[in-house]
Amino acid sequence: KQEVTQIPAALSVPEGENLVLNCSFTDSAIYNLQWFRQDPGKGLTSLLLIQSSQREQTSGRLNASLDKSSGRSTLYIAASQPGDSATYLCAVRPDDYKLSFGAGTTVTVRA
Amino acid sequence: NAGVMQNPRHLVRRRGQEARLRCSPMKGHSHVYWYRQLPEEGLKFMVYLQKENIIDESGMPKERFSAEFPKEGPSILRIQQVVRGDSAAYFCASSPKGPNTEAFFGQGTRLTVV
Repeated sequence: KQEVTQIPAALSVPEGENLVLNCSFTDSAIYNLQWFRQDPGKGLTSLLLIQSSQREQTSGRLNASLDKSSGRSTLYIAASQPGDSATYLCAVRPDDYKLSFGAGTTVTVRA
Repeated sequence: NAGVMQNPRHLVRRRGQEARLRCSPMKGHSHVYWYRQLPEEGLKFMVYLQKENIIDESGMPKERFSAEFPKEGPSILRIQQVVRGDSAAYFCASSPKGPNTEAFFGQGTRLTVV
């Protein structure tokens, strides 16, 4: 059974600092890995999708890396802003449809 | 292209009533997934459907829960005789055909059982 762990569970940083969010998974046989953002009481917004054959994906200030063999992914957010405050979820697709989610990292960026 | 649409956004039911949650996938998406997020827990897979077919319902409780995705209309997640433990956020996601495609989520339906 696939287990997804996100560390840390919560993170508070001053504005402008870079964020590093970690995700680990137990079974390296995945199709892809997806990072989401969830605001309180809202839905999930997809941030980045990394296919199993890829090592990283970038979108604006966001960069996600994937090391499938070691079961790890890292989401980097450069020059954080208060608007980046949210919960970030990592999800892996171990077969062709189900996503297995981590519990998330709640980020607070202080102005 | 509208995103995944879920309604209602909030639903309050008394114990023993039925809850019906609706999900319209993104245009062109034929795969629908339901996930549940219990308070202070991560999202858990419930069921995967394609048009008129349940592909995998292994994450769904055996009793009181059912799901459908008819040929016409939205996907429906039905919970009969709700109990307090059913209170959660229920999210629907859709994706186009294929194993490596991105999943897009709706805003969720927050069910409160009183």
